[in-house]
Amino acid sequence: GAVVSQHPSWVICKSGTSVKIECRSLDFQATTMFWYRQFPKQSLMLMATSNEGSKATYEQGVEKDKFLINHASLTLSTLTVTSAHPEDSSFYICSARGSTSGDHEQYFGPGTRLTVT
Amino acid sequence: GEDVEQSLFLSVREGDSSVINCTYTDSSSTYLYWYKQEPGAGLQLLTYIFSNMDMKQDQRLTVLLNKKDKHLSLRIADTQTGDSAIYFCAENGSGTYKYIFGTGTRLKVLA
Repeated sequence: GAVVSQHPSWVICKSGTSVKIECRSLDFQATTMFWYRQFPKQSLMLMATSNEGSKATYEQGVEKDKFLINHASLTLSTLTVTSAHPEDSSFYICSARGSTSGDHEQYFGPGTRLTVT
Repeated sequence: GEDVEQSLFLSVREGDSSVINCTYTDSSSTYLYWYKQEPGAGLQLLTYIFSNMDMKQDQRLTVLLNKKDKHLSLRIADTQTGDSAIYFCAENGSGTYKYIFGTGTRLKVLA
């Protein structure tokens, strides 16, 4: 149980275009989903926290107009990188927390590698 | 601020024990976690410890927590080549569900 999927697993796009990444909880309802970015040989940096049906909360330094997050249902959150540039190339990982009160664990997706050319 | 520090590299011989260390600064953390990341892959939860515990053992894994020194360690017994990966510790602050990840330790197991 507690499986999180991401789609696509990798994507290459041209500079200036937008890319949408999906994060799904397959066998549980996720009240909260988190989006992380990981640069090569570095740790995961939390970008934003999204709660179903409400606006995402972005971490300091993360541009909300560039990284659009939608959490329209209890099983799906999307991250759209708008007007992507080469510096946005990174490994994007989502995680989901169950809706059970006190559920502290985050379940991580396999990640999406974005390359902007 | 919250900072979770780990040593960058660790190299051990197959069959030896590995000890990966982590120091954190948020004393209000409720849970502390250890994750494993293989190249190009997502994160795999190895184990976690509740902040009121000193030790937790799970098969080859032993977690030690020293709250006074804000020090967490992961011991892997009988390390195998398949254990080669990056290991991240993470904490979640009290009252939040956000994780703060450590800098990661790259474990290399020599045959």
